Amino acid sequence: DAGVIQSPRHEVTEMGQEVTLRCKPISGHDYLFWYRQTMMRGLELLIYFNNNVPIDDSGMPEDRFSAKMPNASFSTLKIQPSEPRDSAVYFCASKKTWGYQPQHFGDGTRLSIL
Amino acid sequence: RKEVEQDPGPFNVPEGATVAFNCTYSNSASQSFFWYRQDCRKEPKLLMSVYSSGNEDGRFTAQLNRASQYISLLIRDSKLSDSATYLCVVNIGNSGNTPLVFGKGTRLSVIA
Repeated sequence: DAGVIQSPRHEVTEMGQEVTLRCKPISGHDYLFWYRQTMMRGLELLIYFNNNVPIDDSGMPEDRFSAKMPNASFSTLKIQPSEPRDSAVYFCASKKTWGYQPQHFGDGTRLSIL
Repeated sequence: RKEVEQDPGPFNVPEGATVAFNCTYSNSASQSFFWYRQDCRKEPKLLMSVYSSGNEDGRFTAQLNRASQYISLLIRDSKLSDSATYLCVVNIGNSGNTPLVFGKGTRLSVIA
């Protein structure tokens, strides 16, 4: 089975530009999570969806960040306008609803804002 | 108190050594626990779940102490390939569908 697929793998852009990160969860998984990882703060949960509906976005740093899940097989995380402090690795993960299942991560997007 | 706290590391051990990592969690209602492994510049991957009775997978043993809200991971006969960051992960609520909280990780370097 295909795992969680993220794109792009790397993104380098100038501050002020819009950045869109994409994620395709594992087929059949009901939950989708967006994380950000930095050396200083570790892995932080930004937002998660259940059946395409945002459940908790309290981890989204500020209004510049937005996330959507228009269908069960696709989600986006958008930063507009981007700032250098947004530089991090952004991971998408998915899991099945049933029981205490672990999450499966995509390869991540390494984002650098200049 | 942070939700999940781990030994900061790094741990530098020779091949063949036994090494143990510790982790504490703050939410007594937590029901599920995992250890993930993350290689440099890679995504976190599930290493093993942690069960109340303790569980073993080859050279790896995980233990849970609910009374002390403490989780451990023991690696026996360390291999060079065990070098990675080990993340302690806890489900923060009493439902299987509440988010997982990740510790910052403990870095392990196994030296030849």
